[in-house]
Amino acid sequence: QKEVEQNSGPLSVPEGAIASLNCTYSDRGSQSFFWYRQYSGKSPELIMFIYSNGDKEDGRFTAQLNKASQYVSLLIRDSQPSDSATYLCAVNRDAGKSTFGDGTTLTVKP
Amino acid sequence: GAGVSQSPSNKVTEKGKDVELRCDPISGHTALYWYRQSLGQGLEFLIYFQGNSAPDKSGLPSDRFSAERTGGSVSTLTIQRTQQEDSAVYLCASRQGAGNSPLHFGNGTRLTVT
Repeated sequence: QKEVEQNSGPLSVPEGAIASLNCTYSDRGSQSFFWYRQYSGKSPELIMFIYSNGDKEDGRFTAQLNKASQYVSLLIRDSQPSDSATYLCAVNRDAGKSTFGDGTTLTVKP
Repeated sequence: GAGVSQSPSNKVTEKGKDVELRCDPISGHTALYWYRQSLGQGLEFLIYFQGNSAPDKSGLPSDRFSAERTGGSVSTLTIQRTQQEDSAVYLCASRQGAGNSPLHFGNGTRLTVT
């Protein structure tokens, strides 16, 4: 079992729709959770981070964390073609390494 | 510098040769990470540094891989006797000390072993 699991996709949504990206993790001691966006041929860039159970909203993005279910998600509202990218979930246990999932590829169709 | 700087951006080498990849983190970032990303794959953890020490080097694939960090700043990843399966993008990232702060990535070094 991988430490961090994501659906590989591809996930395709029409422009203006809500895109829902999911991530599960195996280490119950995980403390901080990150979503990175990676455009093709580019490096990952931070989208959102969340530490506490519940929802955290930033513009069109909402991160949701449920530690009991070991589940973190990212919702993208009013999806735009420019949101088309691979989204990487990363999990930290402590001050050590960030463990990444394999990413979900999102395509937003005009 | 303003961001994480990696060099070279591209490296083509012959099988069996040694290569050195360099990473210059954001000034003041105490933690430095090396990841590897093969085409179409996720990020594979290699090693991380806190200051000049490496508390976790569990991701280094073999003893051909080594890394060091000096002065709490620049890090070098060395791959000896390169193999074709070493071909990938090597990403360096840094963060401020706390584990709950995000990673800032460099642009990566694309390594091709022929």
